[in-house]
Amino acid sequence: GENVEQHPSTLSVQEGDSAVIKCTYSDSASNYFPWYKQELGKRPQLIIDIRSNVGEKKDQRIAVTLNKTAKHFSLHITETQPEDSAVYFCAASISNAGGTSYGKLTFGQGTILTVHP
Amino acid sequence: NAGVTQTPKFRVLKTGQSMTLLCAQDMNHEYMYWYRQDPGMGLRLIHYSVGEGTTAKGEVPDGYNVSRLKKQNFLLGLESAAPSQTSVYFCASSYLNRGNSPLHFGNGTRLTVT
Repeated sequence: GENVEQHPSTLSVQEGDSAVIKCTYSDSASNYFPWYKQELGKRPQLIIDIRSNVGEKKDQRIAVTLNKTAKHFSLHITETQPEDSAVYFCAASISNAGGTSYGKLTFGQGTILTVHP
Repeated sequence: NAGVTQTPKFRVLKTGQSMTLLCAQDMNHEYMYWYRQDPGMGLRLIHYSVGEGTTAKGEVPDGYNVSRLKKQNFLLGLESAAPSQTSVYFCASSYLNRGNSPLHFGNGTRLTVT
């Protein structure tokens, strides 16, 4: 099955700096890569996702890049703010179209991001 | 819409006891999932369902059973709880789509087995 590795496990930055979290996956058939943010004691919530037909996607201060050849994808947060402090999870799955993945996501281990004021 | 609702929010069990976690969604989603979250291990899929009356095993199914008698509900059962099942359990749902749909998570159930 799919295996997703996420690094680093913890990341500490100063407010205003950029933060980068990297993930690698093992199954070359995976074609959907979401990122979730989980604040302390709360549910994971989708912040951005990318599909394999796209190399980069941006949403304000957040961007995700995908390198299918190398089987890795990254989350970039610019101009970090204290409210960005949370645990971030990457995930991978195979599209439902024509397959039997049924949207099952395999998650990375998570990165604890701390943004210091 | 309430989204995905999990009950209970907290539970303490003794080894060998049984319990059922309830997940309900009001978004008419076809797919539902149960994940467990442990420190340093991310979220791991226990069981999932692709529609009413169907269930399937995920990555870590041992010690758990599930049922999906109604489309909106997905139950997770522990027949004989073990300390290794101490975890935070998240239910999630998504809609049927040709591509992939984001998972909508519940607020989680924190289970402690002593």
